[in-house]
Amino acid sequence: EVQLVESGGGLVQPGRSLRLSCATSGFTFDDYAMHWVRQAAGRGLEWVSGISWNSGSMDYADSVKGRFTISRDNAKNSLYLQMNSLRPEDTAFYYCVQGYYYGSGSYYKYPNDALNIWGQGTMVTVSS
Amino acid sequence: DIQMTQSPSFLSASVGDRVTITCRASQSISNYLNWYQHKPGKAPKFLIYGASSLQSGVPSRFSGSGSGTDFTLTISSLQPEDFATYYCQQSYSTLYTFGQGTKLEIK
Repeated sequence: EVQLVESGGGLVQPGRSLRLSCATSGFTFDDYAMHWVRQAAGRGLEWVSGISWNSGSMDYADSVKGRFTISRDNAKNSLYLQMNSLRPEDTAFYYCVQGYYYGSGSYYKYPNDALNIWGQGTMVTVSS
Repeated sequence: DIQMTQSPSFLSASVGDRVTITCRASQSISNYLNWYQHKPGKAPKFLIYGASSLQSGVPSRFSGSGSGTDFTLTISSLQPEDFATYYCQQSYSTLYTFGQGTKLEIK
């Protein structure tokens, strides 16, 4: 069974940092691109960041670019999101997501994937 | 960035109705358009990829169409479990974006 389990969320003051982790199991982790998606209360889904299977390609939403860093450790089957200079507007539920590649043979298998299997999420609250 | 615009934002319908949700991209995204269903308190569910391909296990009453900039999600006969919020999302560029969502409510 495929499992994605996020951890590392919590309450943090504005300007501070937090690192989210996503432990995965049940699939060959380094075959897939991975993503972080968030949802603030009462708002829609917002894609935060994505990373190719080999970390060779990645990108970020404009709202987090320069503050957040996505990374992965294929040996540990884990995905990470380092969040620096946190703002109140970063308060949200953060999901780790496995990509489902359906593009035309890109080496990176990213972009051109869909957000296939989602973790249950971890809450991040940025407040003083 | 590619902007995704869904319409309507809210939709009221009855069990058995046929409903259509539209999604427009600010530039051509070929067929790199995906659809999701989201219910409160649950993780989103992946429904359709490549504009029209149904993900495994998704009921056949769901269908998608379109290419370029204009896309639709159709539910042919609404079931009680279909009342949720639906999102489109483009995966054409490395910077992914979602539509703002369409909340489908029971009339």
